Amino acid sequence: DSGVTQTPKHLITATGQRVTLRCSPRSGDLSVYWYQQSLDQGLQFLIQYYNGEERAKGNILERFSAQQFPDLHSELNLSSLELGDSALYFCASSVGTHRGDEQFFGPGTRLTVL
Amino acid sequence: AQSVSQHNHHVILSEAASLELGCNYSYGGTVNLFWYVQYPGQHLQLLLKYFSGDPLVKGIKGFEAEFIKSKFSFNLRKPSVQWSDTAEYFCAVNTNAGKSTFGDGTTLTVKP
Repeated sequence: DSGVTQTPKHLITATGQRVTLRCSPRSGDLSVYWYQQSLDQGLQFLIQYYNGEERAKGNILERFSAQQFPDLHSELNLSSLELGDSALYFCASSVGTHRGDEQFFGPGTRLTVL
Repeated sequence: AQSVSQHNHHVILSEAASLELGCNYSYGGTVNLFWYVQYPGQHLQLLLKYFSGDPLVKGIKGFEAEFIKSKFSFNLRKPSVQWSDTAEYFCAVNTNAGKSTFGDGTTLTVKP
């Protein structure tokens, strides 16, 4: 158990819908990262937050947005869903923002868009 | 833009065979390098990381990796694999810009 929790574990929805994925970091960690893992694209970095502020952005679509709340949990919002958004979405946390910080990963949320 | 390339998508070995998984990255600045492992049904977890100093890094479960700066490589090795090493292995690069870049992963299957 990494100490990072993600809900829900599974999510099935239809095209055009909007969903929210939730992540709680390890106790004491201030950074939260979001990743998308699909079969044909590996693990793609989406976005990083540190203590409530966006710190780094990766290949995140405009239809996707995220935020980190004062209690440090984070939510990833996916809207106007398409079939190609079906993937495993991972959240990770780390102590800070140093490039040497280890990331601790949650179990992931499997999103299926029908 | 930084990128990470893992040369092998799927490796199949017999128990006691030696393992080497290739990882090359492209980035001109200072980096930290990681290998993460994902066992079946489990979350990703850190295997080892290079921070600075000795380029030969030892991790958990007998794994090691060597950082060769001139070759932009960080290959993972294990002298003798076990069935329990069956997993997916990811090489990752972190830079000062805050972005984490992962390779596509290598699936290792160890036959008993």
